[in-house]
Amino acid sequence: RKEVEQDPGPFNVPEGATVAFNCTYSNSASQSFFWYRQDCRKEPKLLMSVYSSGNEDGRFTAQLNRASQYISLLIRDSKLSDSATYLCVVRLYNQGGKLIFGQGTELSVKP
Amino acid sequence: DAGVIQSPRHEVTEMGQEVTLRCKPISGHNSLFWYRQTMMRGLELLIYFNNNVPIDDSGMPEDRFSAKMPNASFSTLKIQPSEPRDSAVYFCASSLGGPVTEAFFGQGTRLTVV
Repeated sequence: RKEVEQDPGPFNVPEGATVAFNCTYSNSASQSFFWYRQDCRKEPKLLMSVYSSGNEDGRFTAQLNRASQYISLLIRDSKLSDSATYLCVVRLYNQGGKLIFGQGTELSVKP
Repeated sequence: DAGVIQSPRHEVTEMGQEVTLRCKPISGHNSLFWYRQTMMRGLELLIYFNNNVPIDDSGMPEDRFSAKMPNASFSTLKIQPSEPRDSAVYFCASSLGGPVTEAFFGQGTRLTVV
């Protein structure tokens, strides 16, 4: 089993739609969680950290469920510019800060 | 800050040749990660360092791969001898060592072994 698992997609949605991505992780000692965004042929960049109480940044909402070892990302009112691959990331502090990426979920927003 | 700097950006080499990828982390960061990305396998963690010391190299695919971090501002990933299946984008990332700290990536090195 992969340490971080995501549905690879692709998710094809119209502009203005709401879309949700899910991610599960296997190591219960995982302590920090992030969503990264990667555009085609570019490096991954931080989209947002994920906090235990859930957090929101504009149209983006991240949730964490430690009991179920599950992270989610919700994008509201999707824009064409949201088209990218979204990567779920966990950091393991019992392994010296190991940073593990999921395979990514591809999103394509259509006009 | 200039961010994480990787060189070269592109490398084309013949099978059997030695390849050296270079990385300069963000100043003050004490964790450094090397990743390899392919369509089939996504982003794979190869090795990471804390305070210039290798912590976990279990992701290094074979003995042909080696990585060093001689000081806080420089790291190399070497492949010797290279094979066509090593073709991928290699990313270096750095971070602070705190509990809720994200990693910042370089622009990557696109390696093609022919």
